[in-house]
Amino acid sequence: SYELTQPPSVSVSPGQTASITCSGDKLGDKYACWSQKKPGQSPVLVMYENNKRPSGIPERFSGSNSGNTATLTISGTQAIDEAEYYCQAWDTGTASYVFGTGTKVTVL
Amino acid sequence: EEHLVESGGGLVQPGGSLRLSCASSGFIFTDAWMSWVRQAPGKGLEWVGRIKSKASGGTTDYVAPVKGRFSISRDDSKNTVFLQMNSLKTEDTGMYYCTHDGFTYPASWGQGTLVIVSS
Repeated sequence: SYELTQPPSVSVSPGQTASITCSGDKLGDKYACWSQKKPGQSPVLVMYENNKRPSGIPERFSGSNSGNTATLTISGTQAIDEAEYYCQAWDTGTASYVFGTGTKVTVL
Repeated sequence: EEHLVESGGGLVQPGGSLRLSCASSGFIFTDAWMSWVRQAPGKGLEWVGRIKSKASGGTTDYVAPVKGRFSISRDDSKNTVFLQMNSLKTEDTGMYYCTHDGFTYPASWGQGTLVIVSS
């Protein structure tokens, strides 16, 4: 089965840049998206089709996808960005969406 | 603004059944591809399955652990998608979300409904 691997945690100081990686076999050949999940709240899409921001998502969020790794970058990280982030991609082999393992971003 | 409201969750014994509903508004439901995603306590997100629009064939896909037990259907006249869950197991416990899908991504999420499978 297809797997997407993320680091369990990323720590960042306010105003600094946080980079969250998502690794999977030939992930760059697929579209990757990212959702933000805060405790007690529903997830929110923050990036789709590798590098497109949905309406209402701040410009400090950006994305890329190449080779085996997709990356979500948060520039000028704010306390409100503290959350768990999940990458996701469609696996044609199993005809299923696959979520990454999730990364908890802590703003210290 | 898109709005998704799930309902039907609750406590059920192992081996039992539940039917979840997701009522939608704010987009053209007949054109929509819809998915269900779950999150077990303390775990990550897991895609459960999806249903395409009738214009795209109305077909369904499921993650391996639920194949043969779960079934997704839709009622376009009521802008509602359903998740029928049979032969429930304790590992099916979690929050269940419906999503309105873009081509390869969950464009919007509902608030979720909690399913607890326990004796």
